This record gives sequence, structure tokens and C-alpha cells, in this order.
Amino acid sequence: QKEVEQDPGPLSVPEGAIVSLNCTYSNSAFQYFMWYRQYSRKGPELLMYTYSSGNKEDGRFTAQVDKSSKYISLFIRDSQPSDSATYLCAMSENSGGYQKVTFGIGTKLQVIP
Amino acid sequence: DGGITQSPKYLFRKEGQNVTLSCEQNLNHDAMYWYRQDPGQGLRLIYYSQIVNDFQKGDIAEGYSVSREKKESFPLTVTSAQKNPTAFYLCASSKQTGTGEQYFGPGTRLTVT
Repeated sequence: QKEVEQDPGPLSVPEGAIVSLNCTYSNSAFQYFMWYRQYSRKGPELLMYTYSSGNKEDGRFTAQVDKSSKYISLFIRDSQPSDSATYLCAMSENSGGYQKVTFGIGTKLQVIP
Repeated sequence: DGGITQSPKYLFRKEGQNVTLSCEQNLNHDAMYWYRQDPGQGLRLIYYSQIVNDFQKGDIAEGYSVSREKKESFPLTVTSAQKNPTAFYLCASSKQTGTGEQYFGPGTRLTVT
């Protein structure tokens, strides 16, 4: 079993839809949770990071963490064709003074105009 | 503007040749990383460095080498011993302390024939 599980998709939604992207994890030592957006043939771009269970909002994006269920989500409201990309979840743990980051495989999202 | 640069964007080499990928950052980050990204496999850590003149192997270090002579620079050499070198290579950096969020460069696509 992988430490971080993420459905690779692809996920296709119509423009304006609410998108829900999810990851589950098995390692209780994960402390910080991040979401990256990666356009084709580009480097990942950090979207959001959060520490505690609960919600964190930034514009059209909301990151949600449920540590009791080991489940994190990213919601995108009013999705736009420009949101079409691969979304990677990432989680970090302290490993000998170093924040070790484990990435999900990424979910490919397509927003159809 | 602060950021991470990788060069070149595309690189072609013949089998049996060593090749060095460049990574430079001006974010004043202490830690730097090299990842390899293959379709369906997500990001895999090759090497990382927390401080100058020190680096550690990641999950797939065989066939690769690095150096960290300057804080700003972390070049990766793909040697002829790497059995399947064709991939998308990503460099990242982060603060030494903190949440572990990493910032990525634009990537180098290496094709070996």
C-alpha cells in the first residue's frame, strides 16, 4: 500500500462545476498538507498548504484536511478551462530534522468549456 | 523575481553519454531536491541537499550524481549507468525549517536514444 493514494483520473467536468479532488494517506506522522497544480510539461506550482484539520480557503480554492480519517480534499469552485491541469497532493513529515515530502500520483483534470 | 531556473528545457543525448542538468535558485533556500517524473509514477526523489557541501540519496539515486558547492546551485549528472534515463526532471527548493513546502523549477525533458 502506498503512503499516499490519489486517483489519477482523468476527471472531466463542465465549466462552472465544483471540482472535488481527494487523497488518502496511511502515515500518521504527516504534519503538513499541500496541493500543487501542474500544467503539461511544466513544473508543479504550489497552490495551498495547511497544517490542521479543517478548511482553508484561497479564492476559488478550498483545502480540507480530516486527520482522523486521513483524508484531504481540494475543492475548486466555478471551475474554468484554465484550471485544466494535473493536481498533486503532497504531505510532509519531520524526518531527522528534515521535512520529507511524499507526493500523490496526481489527478488529471479537464474543464470543458 | 525570485525563483528556480532549470536549463535546458529539452535535452537530447546518445546512450552511453553522461549529461548534466542545471538547477539554480535565488530564493535563499537552504534545501534543494531533484525529482524524476514518469507517466503514471508520480514524483520520485533522486537526491536532496539540506546544506552546502552535503547531500543524501533519495529513493532512486542509482545512476545519478550531484554536487552542492554553492547554496544557489544543485546540478544533477545523469550517468551512463542509469538504465532508463529518458524522463522529465524537476528541481525544487525549500526552506530548511518550516512546513516543507517545495518550490519547483520548470523542468528539463531528457531524451536518450
